[in-house]
Amino acid sequence: QVTLRESGPALVKPTQTLTLTCTFSGFSLTTTGMCVSWIRQPPGKALEWLARIDWDDDRYYNTSLKTRLTISKDTSKNQVVLTMTNMEPVDTATYYCARTVTRTSDYWGQGALVTVSS
Amino acid sequence: DIQMTQSPSSVSASVGDRVTISCRASQDIGSWLAWYQQKPGRAPNVLISAASTLQSGVPSRFSGSGSGTDFTLTISSLQPEDFATYYCQQTDSFPPTFGQGTKVEIK
Repeated sequence: QVTLRESGPALVKPTQTLTLTCTFSGFSLTTTGMCVSWIRQPPGKALEWLARIDWDDDRYYNTSLKTRLTISKDTSKNQVVLTMTNMEPVDTATYYCARTVTRTSDYWGQGALVTVSS
Repeated sequence: DIQMTQSPSSVSASVGDRVTISCRASQDIGSWLAWYQQKPGRAPNVLISAASTLQSGVPSRFSGSGSGTDFTLTISSLQPEDFATYYCQQTDSFPPTFGQGTKVEIK
């Protein structure tokens, strides 16, 4: 059974760095073809893809956010970590992690709402 | 980045209706398109990958078609549990971009 769960702070202040952890089970990021993606969704708005890390440690980032994003993995803990620097109120959103196989995100976490406010 | 445009942005329909949602890519993406369903307060759920491949467990009333730049999601007979927002996503090139969503509402 594949599961993913996002964890991190619910509230961050402007200019702070957000660190989110995706803890997963039911698959391994050492398996060829396995990837984990991060996607976010501001309240009432559309989905926005953020980043992806692959089994072979290849990493991909959203074009407009790539200077602020870092994705990494700890295969021994079955975790993927996303950091986003210089948070602003417009970054308020629900952040999802998802397993991605053959380019399709087939299992998603429940999401973590992050509010950026002073 | 490839832009994905969905139409309509919302549609009102009744149970039993046939519903069609369109998705257009700003450049050729082959068949690298997925469709997701999202209900309020829930994570998205993948319905279709590779433009027309139904994911395991997804009812057969859902179907996808298209290639290149124009794609369609069809719900052949709308059921009460289908009222939701639907998103397309191109996965041909990075970054994989989503459409703006189509909300299917009860008429």
